[in-house]
Amino acid sequence: DGGITQSPKYLFRKEGQNVTLSCEQNLNHDAMYWYRQDPGQGLRLIYYSQIVNDFQKGDIAEGYSVSREKKESFPLTVTSAQKNPTAFYLCASSASGTAFYGYTFGSGTRLTVV
Amino acid sequence: EDQVTQSPEALRLQEGESSSLNCSYTVSGLRGLFWYRQDPGKGPEFLFTLYSAGEEKEKERLKATLTKKESFLHITAPKPEDSATYLCAYTNTGNQFYFGTGTSLTVIP
Repeated sequence: DGGITQSPKYLFRKEGQNVTLSCEQNLNHDAMYWYRQDPGQGLRLIYYSQIVNDFQKGDIAEGYSVSREKKESFPLTVTSAQKNPTAFYLCASSASGTAFYGYTFGSGTRLTVV
Repeated sequence: EDQVTQSPEALRLQEGESSSLNCSYTVSGLRGLFWYRQDPGKGPEFLFTLYSAGEEKEKERLKATLTKKESFLHITAPKPEDSATYLCAYTNTGNQFYFGTGTSLTVIP
């Protein structure tokens, strides 16, 4: 079955560490997105990519970095510069470089600072 | 400023008690209004897309409607398995979604 796979499901980060969240899709979608979800807030866009080797900052990109070397993969690195990284992170994809027909979401990664 | 507001924040219903969730928006050039269902600890699951005022879509006990200023998600005779957070989102460029904060629905047996 086609879909988006996020790993790990749970991730713990120590102070000062960088951690990388994986997102892989086999839907042949052009565009991929990273959102952050906090209690009581809507999903907020971190980064998005419409084609391989190209990506743009979203509303809350500070402290995060991404790469898009393959169409299927869009990993997110949470750097030590992100001061409040504890959140639920969602990866999504859409066809044809537009969200007009709806996103497909992964199952999420819950990141906790310890 | 474009934005979408969902109400109520939380809703508790008895099984079989029909109700509606509201998503009001102030968006210029709305191209699509979307409804998603999200279960705890999981990613949102797509339900409906509405593109123009007057449009309606149905799926099982759910019916989504759209006016020029708001969208409603009507839930008819809900069951406990309908308990979830329901998110609405809009797009005006086709490239990004902007999400509301959601309505947490609990259906009591």
